[in-house]
Amino acid sequence: DTGVSQDPRHKITKRGQNVTFRCDPISEHNRLYWYRQTLGQGPEFLTYFQNEAQLEKSRLLSDRFSAERPKGSFSTLEIQRTEQGDSAMYLCASSDSRDSNQPQHFGDGTRLSIL
Amino acid sequence: GDSVTQMEGPVTLSEEAFLTINCTYTATGYPSLFWYVQYPGEGLQLLLKATKADDKGSNKGFEATYRKETTSFHLEKGSVQVSDSAVYFCALRARSNDYKLSFGAGTTVTVRA
Repeated sequence: DTGVSQDPRHKITKRGQNVTFRCDPISEHNRLYWYRQTLGQGPEFLTYFQNEAQLEKSRLLSDRFSAERPKGSFSTLEIQRTEQGDSAMYLCASSDSRDSNQPQHFGDGTRLSIL
Repeated sequence: GDSVTQMEGPVTLSEEAFLTINCTYTATGYPSLFWYVQYPGEGLQLLLKATKADDKGSNKGFEATYRKETTSFHLEKGSVQVSDSAVYFCALRARSNDYKLSFGAGTTVTVRA
């Protein structure tokens, strides 16, 4: 079990730039989730995939955000025209929907800082 | 909507002290309940879980009991160590929305030697 892997761990960029993050889930997991965590708060759900289908998106996910999981394996989260308010930790998690009692397993996150 | 309320921190304890972190929830039906722990610079790790009323989750000396009557899932540990210093998050997963976790704001715990 190699765990959920996220890349990069840290990203610093200027306001207005585009950024893309990658998440590699646990290999046998068919569900993949993205959360955002701001300082001093708990993670907030953004979106999730079952295999390659994006089944739910939070209202937090503005039209500047887009997520893909083209082959049902890894996923990318892109933020276009970044704003100061996008500074946060972006967490990815995965699980196996065939086991209803299985929890979500989280990666170490990508910390985004907007200058 | 579904929500979790956690005891505010930070909490500072001495080694071997008793730790309690209160967690209450609001949800329709009977959600699954979780405690996650986040060590500095790391992601969230599942600490324990309970999927139905009166279930007790336990791991690494930590325990929490799913109390339907008080809608609570308080975390306890009888004797903390310095290595337990971390941020603890209570979370729920509703049966109607089984794809997402709703988290509390987290409680920072610092254990001093």
